Amino acid sequence: NAGVTQTPKFQVLKTGQSMTLQCAQDMNHNSMYWYRQDPGMGLRLIYYSASEGTTDKGEVPNGYNVSRLNKREFSLRLESAAPSQTSVYFCASIITGAIGEKLFFGSGTQLSVL
Amino acid sequence: AQSVTQPDIHITVSEGASLELRCNYSYGATPYLFWYVQSPGQGLQLLLKYFSGDTLVQGIKGFEAEFKRSQSSFNLRKPSVHWSDAAEYFCAVGAGGNKLVFGAGTILRVKS
Repeated sequence: NAGVTQTPKFQVLKTGQSMTLQCAQDMNHNSMYWYRQDPGMGLRLIYYSASEGTTDKGEVPNGYNVSRLNKREFSLRLESAAPSQTSVYFCASIITGAIGEKLFFGSGTQLSVL
Repeated sequence: AQSVTQPDIHITVSEGASLELRCNYSYGATPYLFWYVQSPGQGLQLLLKYFSGDTLVQGIKGFEAEFKRSQSSFNLRKPSVHWSDAAEYFCAVGAGGNKLVFGAGTILRVKS
């Protein structure tokens, strides 16, 4: 039982390049989230998907797009990377999305944009 | 809007000493409060959570937290710190749509 799996773990991009961060969970969770973590700012929600087929913006969605491909997978795409998107990205999932449930986090993707 | 403040960016304690990490929140309704811990290079792990009822909640690894509505606080405590507790700790409040709002984090260093 792998939990939440993110790929890649590390990535270096040049400004303007595009890439997709992959996230998959094998716990049959309904809700999935993408957070970014920056020093001194904690985790900020980029996008979330309450259930398969739905996505919504979080606190900092600009410059990102997401796809909830199926119940297991929730990808985050940077169409034209900018240095301000240098960060550590975490995917997380929750059973139903009811408030108070425990978030299960992936181990993170460290992204550097030069 | 919901917000979480962790006033201490870094805290250093000696192994075996007691620990208190501070967390203050702003939320219009009854809050759902959480403490998560992140070890270097790892994702976050839930330590404990508060929904209602007893204001002193027990978590994993010997941690506890006390909800004080009058002070809008949810401080994390541990009576005796171990070197393996060195990590970054995040307080969070449950916002609408089950979107958690996280504090900026407190880095705990443990001296031997």
